[in-house]
Amino acid sequence: GESVGLHLPTLSVQEGDNSIINCAYSNSASDYFIWYKQESGKGPQFIIDIRSNMDKRQGQRVTVLLNKTVKHLSLQIAATQPGDSAVYFCAERGGAGGTSYGKLTFGQGTILTVHP
Amino acid sequence: DGGITQSPKYLFRKEGQNVTLSCEQNLNHDAMYWYRQDPGQGLRLIYYSQIVNDFQKGDIAEGYSVSREKKESFPLTVTSAQKNPTAFYLCASSIDRGYQETQYFGPGTRLLVL
Repeated sequence: GESVGLHLPTLSVQEGDNSIINCAYSNSASDYFIWYKQESGKGPQFIIDIRSNMDKRQGQRVTVLLNKTVKHLSLQIAATQPGDSAVYFCAERGGAGGTSYGKLTFGQGTILTVHP
Repeated sequence: DGGITQSPKYLFRKEGQNVTLSCEQNLNHDAMYWYRQDPGQGLRLIYYSQIVNDFQKGDIAEGYSVSREKKESFPLTVTSAQKNPTAFYLCASSIDRGYQETQYFGPGTRLLVL
């Protein structure tokens, strides 16, 4: 999994499998979280977001889970396809009462490789 | 077709030269940002602007300068003082309500030193 500010892990899956990408965040006051996908040589693309008053949100083939107790965020991709191969990174927004209030902080990412 | 555009896609800089990267958005966003991305690393904030004619330094502002004369435009100049400018530069914008909403990114400019 990934921690905001640390190494760049990798995840390798077979086409059709489900993928789970993890992100550990550090600021317990963070109130908003975003997942981005970045393909090689391109800008990051918004995938899905979730606010801290929710613990789950679903999109098309993607689900984000938020566990505030352990400060953990995950992105689940169903029926992973070769086109899903990219770097995935999370971002957190500092909430009220913290020094980074209102500002987004980005993690370094996880490399997802999907094998046909 | 709304979005963020960056130009050029590739830029070559000679020693001692200043170069300017363009960023334009037609999303009517108030806030704009510049990030630097090095291989295998995350995004590092260079400068950001929450409103026209105002901008703040990010974490790695040394050797860079910006201007925000129009809401739609936020150009970044990489000066000769930036000794290691080779990187992928990303511009982003967001609605800013006193706190940042989702940032949307442009396609990036890759800067290389000759």
